[in-house]
Amino acid sequence: AQKVTQAQTEISVVEKEDVTLDCVYETRDTTYYLFWYKQPPSGELVFLIRRNSFDEQNEISGRYSWNFQKSTSSFNFTITASQVVDSAVYFCALSDVKSSNTGKLIFGQGTTLQVKP
Amino acid sequence: ETGVTQSPTHLIKTRGQQVTLRCSSQSGHNTVSWYQQALGQGPQFIFQYYREEENGRGNFPPRFSGLQFPNYSSELNVNALELDDSALYLCASSSTPLRATDTQYFGPGTRLTVL
Repeated sequence: AQKVTQAQTEISVVEKEDVTLDCVYETRDTTYYLFWYKQPPSGELVFLIRRNSFDEQNEISGRYSWNFQKSTSSFNFTITASQVVDSAVYFCALSDVKSSNTGKLIFGQGTTLQVKP
Repeated sequence: ETGVTQSPTHLIKTRGQQVTLRCSSQSGHNTVSWYQQALGQGPQFIFQYYREEENGRGNFPPRFSGLQFPNYSSELNVNALELDDSALYLCASSSTPLRATDTQYFGPGTRLTVL
């Protein structure tokens, strides 16, 4: 079965704090891709990152970093020195061989991040 | 480069009516996918269109149907609207339909309210 679990429903931090958003996935395929999207109040899903199952290198982009661990089926997202503009709902998503044949992205329930000034 | 656009932004319908939502894909993209996002939930895949044909479908009844046009734009049609159809409908475009490598880029969505 394919599934994405984001156990943290809501997180609230004060500006400049670091925050990590958790994502755990399930798939039987050895080839799959993981994504993070940001959804601000405007509603549009903004693409942040895509990683494939063969590349476990952590990635850093500015204040954002991602930790991919196949051993624990996790793809966690860390925001360093959070800012008020980071306030949004963040979604983790999975695309594996089976779902990709239909064009389907499987999303988690999302984590609402509130950054207070 | 033009991003994904959707129209209308908001829509209010009554139960039993029919609705058509529209999407224009990002420049250079030939594949369009539709998702339904209920309040407080993650998006759920409805279907995908490639070369004007339905390429894949999620667990949605036949009253959800779509079209893709030669310019790659797409429509989502929902017949016999039910209260549970109230949601944000998101359109996403990508450059090819069948590879998991491709990233889907989303539009701003259409907020549908069924009364």
